[in-house]
Amino acid sequence: SQTIHQWPATLVQPVGSPLSLECTVEGTSNPNLYWYRQAAGRGLQLLFYSVGIGQISSEVPQNLSASRPQDRQFILSSKKLLLSDSGFYLCAWSVGRGGWDEQFFGPGTRLTVL
Amino acid sequence: DAKTTQPTSMDCAEGRAANLPCNHSTISGNEYVYWYRQIHSQGPQYIIHGLKNNETNEMASLIITEDRKSSTLILPHATLRDTAVYYCIAVMNRDDKIIFGKGTRLHILP
Repeated sequence: SQTIHQWPATLVQPVGSPLSLECTVEGTSNPNLYWYRQAAGRGLQLLFYSVGIGQISSEVPQNLSASRPQDRQFILSSKKLLLSDSGFYLCAWSVGRGGWDEQFFGPGTRLTVL
Repeated sequence: DAKTTQPTSMDCAEGRAANLPCNHSTISGNEYVYWYRQIHSQGPQYIIHGLKNNETNEMASLIITEDRKSSTLILPHATLRDTAVYYCIAVMNRDDKIIFGKGTRLHILP
């Protein structure tokens, strides 16, 4: 069966510090991978998605970046965190091709920037 | 992708059917309606999806109006564990700028 892991579960970082959140998927090959952010009191917002190694699409301009160094690994990074980067970050995967397909979400990382 | 609108919150008595509405008046013909729910501090969980026909699975039923401008998610026998935020989204492909919105916060009352 497929599983998706995210770490860390919670993170408190000072403004201006770097960020690295990791997501890995097991039990499937060549998944589509997604990063979402849920700010307090707001809905989920798609940040990045990837259909393959090294292929990243950014949905919104921001000081975050994403990378996919391996087939089942997706990393969310920032060089300098802002207060507005606080939120709940979710990684998701899907395996469909040619259309939107059901996404399976990880447990999330709660990031607080102070 | 189509914008969806949902009530901010709803209450439902335990054991009764919970009917969650969603309006998607600008939906296009090839956009699917998906429902997810998010229990506090967890990742969203897929519930059900449909295009034109009504759908049913072990979790819920989805009723889509004939003009496809609105839909209703039905939890037939709500339990306390169904307390969550329910998101309705309309999407066509992964290139859509998917924004889940604020969803409906469903409170199941004992």
